[in-house]
Amino acid sequence: GAVVSQHPSRVICKSGTSVKIECRSLDFQATTMFWYRQFPKKSLMLMATSNEGSKATYEQGVEKDKFLINHASLTLSTLTVTSAHPEDSSFYICSARDARRTSYEQYFGPGTRLTVT
Amino acid sequence: ELKVEQNPLFLSMQEGKNYTIYCNYSTTSDRLYWYRQDPGKSLESLFVLLSNGAVKQEGRLMASLDTKARLSTLHITAAVHDLSATYFCAVDASSNTGKLIFGQGTTLQVKP
Repeated sequence: GAVVSQHPSRVICKSGTSVKIECRSLDFQATTMFWYRQFPKKSLMLMATSNEGSKATYEQGVEKDKFLINHASLTLSTLTVTSAHPEDSSFYICSARDARRTSYEQYFGPGTRLTVT
Repeated sequence: ELKVEQNPLFLSMQEGKNYTIYCNYSTTSDRLYWYRQDPGKSLESLFVLLSNGAVKQEGRLMASLDTKARLSTLHITAAVHDLSATYFCAVDASSNTGKLIFGQGTTLQVKP
């Protein structure tokens, strides 16, 4: 089946620094990828839609200047958490859909656990 | 605004028993997903239901979709401990965008 990877899997950073998370589709092309965040014992909340070659679309309440998304190729989207604060600590998960398939299946990455100290 | 609600949110059951998790959603959608999440892990896809009346089965799990009632069910048959996990349903927010809105999740605990 299709595989989506994320890097890093776990990161600890200090307040005020920026962290970049990569999401890659390994064996398919994805014109669209999605970024979610999940707090402990909570559900997934959609943050933004990452569009290859164009600007990301952010959900209401998500600060686009804080969560920078770049989708420079058909297999890579990056999420940069800028000037991170402890409240940004969360589990960030990306997903992608195979642009050439009609099954509507979405493939989720393994997630990145961010801890801001 | 699309809302997705699951119930129950927590389910403790004995091995060998049957139970059903319900997923209601508030606006029209013909695409519903079920996922499993183990602690500290990402999501594992279980089912994609694409039309009214769709029924899919895999092992001890069976999912169905009633688009008219805006309801999906995940039925567990003869539960075993390995099924202990959190189960999420998700609905495509608008036609073919791929944006998924998730339910709150149902944490299933199967006791020996």
